[in-house]
Amino acid sequence: AQSVTQLDSQVPVFEEAPVELRCNYSSSVSVYLFWYVQYPNQGLQLLLKYLSGSTLVKGINGFEAEFNKSQTSFHLRKPSVHISDTAEYFCAVSRIGANNLFFGTGTRLTVIP
Amino acid sequence: DGGITQSPKYLFRKEGQNVTLSCEQNLNHDAMYWYRQDPGQGLRLIYYSQIVNDFQKGDIAEGYSVSREKKESFPLTVTSAQKNPTAFYLCASSPSNQPQHFGDGTRLSIL
Repeated sequence: AQSVTQLDSQVPVFEEAPVELRCNYSSSVSVYLFWYVQYPNQGLQLLLKYLSGSTLVKGINGFEAEFNKSQTSFHLRKPSVHISDTAEYFCAVSRIGANNLFFGTGTRLTVIP
Repeated sequence: DGGITQSPKYLFRKEGQNVTLSCEQNLNHDAMYWYRQDPGQGLRLIYYSQIVNDFQKGDIAEGYSVSREKKESFPLTVTSAQKNPTAFYLCASSPSNQPQHFGDGTRLSIL
């Protein structure tokens, strides 16, 4: 089975500062990796995904993530955050060829003016 | 516009009552999913369906039931056997081997 660990439950950061949200996964087979964002009282929106190819993945809203197979990590980064980035961020993993997702417990990003 | 519609947005249930949450998609996706979200616990899979007239239990299926009579619809019933039903429920759909798309959720509360 697959599992995901998001070590930071809350990350406060000042506006225009860089941010990194950490995600580590565990799996005995090859996986797909995803980052989703959730705004209050809404569903999840896909930020970016790693399926294959380049390990640096660029997504929407200026976010990017790097897949590191040796460290089983998929950390999310943004060089300069905005107030509108305040939300909950979820890392998720699925086995290649399977549709089911396994989610981390989420990281609440709060951007401080 | 194509998307996933969950209704109602807010739902209240009395103790001992069953209640059904609606999920409809017009994306022509084969697979559909139901998740439960509790604070600090992320999303947990309740049930999923890869194809019409077929569905499988997820990690926390006890106290829930589903049906998949049509490709576009995947209703979830929260039964009286579910002892702690207060949560935010999210429905998702996906084509095969593609990322899931989510609805805006239904918040269920017990009166």
